[in-house]
Amino acid sequence: KNEVEQSPQNLTAQEGEFITINCSYSVGISALHWLQQHPGGGIVSLFMLSSGKKKHGRLIATINIQEKHSSLHITASHPRDSAVYICAAFDRDDKIIFGKGTRLHILP
Amino acid sequence: DTGVSQDPRHKITKRGQNVTFRCDPISEHNRLYWYRQTLGQGPEFLTYFQNEAQLEKSRLLSDRFSAERPKGSFSTLEIQRTEQGDSAMYLCASRDRAGTEAFFGQGTRLTVV
Repeated sequence: KNEVEQSPQNLTAQEGEFITINCSYSVGISALHWLQQHPGGGIVSLFMLSSGKKKHGRLIATINIQEKHSSLHITASHPRDSAVYICAAFDRDDKIIFGKGTRLHILP
Repeated sequence: DTGVSQDPRHKITKRGQNVTFRCDPISEHNRLYWYRQTLGQGPEFLTYFQNEAQLEKSRLLSDRFSAERPKGSFSTLEIQRTEQGDSAMYLCASRDRAGTEAFFGQGTRLTVV
């Protein structure tokens, strides 16, 4: 079992829908990172959080330390949001443990 | 600061050749990470540094792989006697001392032919 689990693995939605991607982790962490990767592209940092909630434009990330769970939400989704979204946890040794990613496809 | 910079962005090499990649982290970020990502897979940990000290090295790294960060700033990853299985995207990331931010480079895509 991977120490960082994401769900769903694949998600297809219509433009405008509210999107939620979940991340659960089983190790102690110092911070959690949400990343975006377009096909063939590099990795872009979206959020890094260790508690509470962060918002940037249409993206919202939340984390519940007690439940070892984080969510990434996208409001008013758009085809340009189509990408792989990766949850990555910094463990207590400062190593980054990656989830396997969620492939999001937004249909126009 | 323009972010984490990796060079080259793309490298095509013949099997058996040596290649070296460079990563320039965010200024004053003391932690630097190397990851490898093969097509359709998530990134896999290779190694990481705190300042110039290499703290951990993955079992994925054979003795053909070596990484250095001699002055605690930029880092190099060298692969000797490349094999086709080394074809992948090699990613670098850096993190600040306080642990409040981390950034990834665009990666170096290696193709071994």
